[in-house]
Amino acid sequence: GENVEQHPSTLSVQEGDSAVIKCTYSDSASNYFPWYKQELGKRPQLIIDIRSNVGEKKDQRIAVTLNKTAKHFSLHITETQPEDSAVYFCAASITGGSYIPTFGRGTSLIVHP
Amino acid sequence: ETGVTQSPTHLIKTRGQQVTLRCSSQSGHNTVSWYQQALGQGPQFIFQYYREEENGRGNFPPRFSGLQFPNYSSELNVNALELDDSALYLCASSWSSGVASFGEGSWLTVV
Repeated sequence: GENVEQHPSTLSVQEGDSAVIKCTYSDSASNYFPWYKQELGKRPQLIIDIRSNVGEKKDQRIAVTLNKTAKHFSLHITETQPEDSAVYFCAASITGGSYIPTFGRGTSLIVHP
Repeated sequence: ETGVTQSPTHLIKTRGQQVTLRCSSQSGHNTVSWYQQALGQGPQFIFQYYREEENGRGNFPPRFSGLQFPNYSSELNVNALELDDSALYLCASSWSSGVASFGEGSWLTVV
């Protein structure tokens, strides 16, 4: 089955800095890569996603890049704000059948004001 | 549009007991997936139901079972509870293979 590795497990930055979270996946058939943000005690919420036919996607301060050859994808957050503090999960899945994403172990992002 | 709702939000059970968690899928969604999220971990896939049939199962023992009803709501049942079953149980619904929306989860503590 799919295996998703996520690094780092904890990331501490100053407000205004950029943050980068990296994930690797093992199943070359995976073609859909969502990122979720989970605040303390809350549900995971989808913040951005990318499909395998695209190399990069941007939404305001958040961007995701995908390298299919190397089987890794990354989340980039620019101009971080204290409200960006949360746990971020990457996931990999195959669309077209059942949507059953395999999640990484999460990155705890702390943005210091 | 009604989101995914789960109940109960918190519960405490004794080792060996049984528990039933409930999930109402988002309006228009026909697929429900259940995840277990232990503290400090990512969600682990338990199983998925599509049109009342199990449509995929993760690496969980048979004492984890489920149901989906004609209105697409779902139940997760766990028998013979163990201490390691303490976790946040998340339900996610979607339309077929579309992107899923998560509920707020049910926090289960086994003592």
